[in-house]
Amino acid sequence: GAVVSQHPSWVICKSGTSVKIECRSLDFQATTMFWYRQFPKQSLMLMATSNEGSKATYEQGVEKDKFLINHASLTLSTLTVTSAHPEDSSFYICSAVGTSPFINELFFGEGSRLTVL
Amino acid sequence: AQKVTQAQTEISVVEKEDVTLDCVYETRDTTYYLFWYKQPPSGELVFLIRRNSFDEQNEISGRYSWNFQKSTSSFNFTITASQVVDSAVYFCALSGNTGGFKTIFGAGTRLFVKA
Repeated sequence: GAVVSQHPSWVICKSGTSVKIECRSLDFQATTMFWYRQFPKQSLMLMATSNEGSKATYEQGVEKDKFLINHASLTLSTLTVTSAHPEDSSFYICSAVGTSPFINELFFGEGSRLTVL
Repeated sequence: AQKVTQAQTEISVVEKEDVTLDCVYETRDTTYYLFWYKQPPSGELVFLIRRNSFDEQNEISGRYSWNFQKSTSSFNFTITASQVVDSAVYFCALSGNTGGFKTIFGAGTRLFVKA
């Protein structure tokens, strides 16, 4: 079946550095991907919608300059946390909406755990 | 606006008991999907089921069953004869066509199954 792969699975970085997380659809194309953030013991909160070839759409309260999203191809979206601070420590999960061949199927990545020291 | 409500924050049962997790949703979309995901302590989301708005048939998969009632906007999930390995957080989610299928999650229900 279709798989969405996230890399890295976990990352530890120093405060002030930038971290890039990749979300890749395997064996299918996804013009739309979504990025979620999950704080401990909380639900998944949608951060932004990433559309291939266009700017991401951010949810209210999410800083677009802080969380840079690039969806350069039909199989890859990246989330860059810029100048990370400890409060950015969280679990980040992406999902991809299939076009071909899994039309309108939704698949989630396994998540990336970010710890900012 | 779309909304998913999981009123039960935590449920604790003893092994072999049946347990039902409630999910109530709100949407104005005519076409939408409902999901249940399991999130074990390791953190990854495990897909359990997807149901589209035109299919109200209930579904059974092993010890899991789902009851979709459009009339009450509910999509409840029952685990029969629960096991310790069922302990996890369970999320109900909604994805509608007018939102480009972005998925909104409920707050989650944490299930503890004691031996």
